[in-house]
Amino acid sequence: SQQGEEDPQALSIQEGENATMNCSYKTSINNLQWYRQNSGRGLVHLILIRSNEREKHSGRLRVTLDTSKKSSSLLITASRAADTASYFCATDDSSYKLIFGSGTRLLVRP
Amino acid sequence: NAGVTQTPKFQVLKTGQSMTLQCAQDMNHEYMSWYRQDPGMGLRLIHYSVGAGITDQGEVPNGYNVSRSTTEDFPLRLLSAAPSQTSVYFCASIGTRNYGYTFGSGTRLTVV
Repeated sequence: SQQGEEDPQALSIQEGENATMNCSYKTSINNLQWYRQNSGRGLVHLILIRSNEREKHSGRLRVTLDTSKKSSSLLITASRAADTASYFCATDDSSYKLIFGSGTRLLVRP
Repeated sequence: NAGVTQTPKFQVLKTGQSMTLQCAQDMNHEYMSWYRQDPGMGLRLIHYSVGAGITDQGEVPNGYNVSRSTTEDFPLRLLSAAPSQTSVYFCASIGTRNYGYTFGSGTRLTVV
């Protein structure tokens, strides 16, 4: 079974709006990571947040982590059409096994 | 360019055939892994390796074998292909846990 479950499964927004995606997981983690996948392509690492961190920023990305609720969120601010992709959370439980969620498909309309 | 290289990019197999998906990285990463991605399922871990000579099973290992004779290479072998193995396969590697994984561009496999 998959560790992370993402919500929503699909999201459609207008260019310039913010996009928020949520991820829940089941077991203790060392860190949580977010990846982007453009259609038909490989995954690209976006950001990593450690279990002792609560918030992290990278450009237009903001990630939060609540280990008590076993959940994380990814916020993309001022979205662009080029942000259209699938976004996956993945958890690392210290064994180097990276377990992925099912992903959120984001569509940014021009 | 440094990264993870997967070959072939596309492959069609007949049921019962065997083949090897190749994965090579030139970043001197110790940890490598294989995932399969099916529509709507996200990525599922098949096998992984924490270093040369060491491999272990992931979530869905049945029907697949791996070996790690060198740090650079981590081939995935399909022993007797089945239609259920139709999927996109990704190889990934990481050097230290402070950074994210580097993924290859994938192999799209169809078993007929």
